[in-house]
Amino acid sequence: QSVLTQPPSVSAAPGQKVTISCSGSNSNIGRNFVFWYQQLPGLAPKFLIYDNEKRPSGIPDRFSGSKSGTSATLAITGLQTGDEADYYCATWDTSLGAVTFGGGTKLTVL
Amino acid sequence: QITLKESGPTLVKATQTLTLTCTLSGISLNTTGVGVGWIRQPPGKALEWLTVLSWNDDKHYSPSLKSRLTISKDTSKNRVVLTMTNLDPVDTATYYCARLWGKSYYFDYWGQGTLVTVSS
Repeated sequence: QSVLTQPPSVSAAPGQKVTISCSGSNSNIGRNFVFWYQQLPGLAPKFLIYDNEKRPSGIPDRFSGSKSGTSATLAITGLQTGDEADYYCATWDTSLGAVTFGGGTKLTVL
Repeated sequence: QITLKESGPTLVKATQTLTLTCTLSGISLNTTGVGVGWIRQPPGKALEWLTVLSWNDDKHYSPSLKSRLTISKDTSKNRVVLTMTNLDPVDTATYYCARLWGKSYYFDYWGQGTLVTVSS
């Protein structure tokens, strides 16, 4: 059972917008930055969002992150079939003294 | 170009010790701000963080695996080594190493991963 809770799956049509939630607590999301990773089928995870909302170089602005209280959200607009992947949120948990990942969300672009 | 590559055995027996190596290219472990972490992923399951070795040599371990893990670095060979003792079939997973940057705990560059199967 992950410390961070994500929906197991989300889906939307090409061109549409989807959001993926990540729920935590005051010991993790509530006091630390949130990061997001994309894992395409059969590949290693890819760094997507850092410090709640910043995009590394090369990540299109269709991907955006936000945080409010003890929850974070990844939004993807203009969905493409190539966005089909598993998405993971992560953060530092101050109480555990550990990096913690969410359980992952499988995005299906219908 | 920064790359990381994991190496080690693909098949180990239960109760044995696993040693995996992460070799960095394009960036030196001596560079201020550079750290390395290990993350694993059982087949069909989620990512699980194992350990990090930060740029200032701080080490952190997963609370549930702390007694079995050791992370160390060899700066002369620009590599980081993960040791996991007393393996069990549930430790079967793809093991990834990834670069940790600065004081944050995000992983910006990942290795391709190496699948380790633990047989009973």
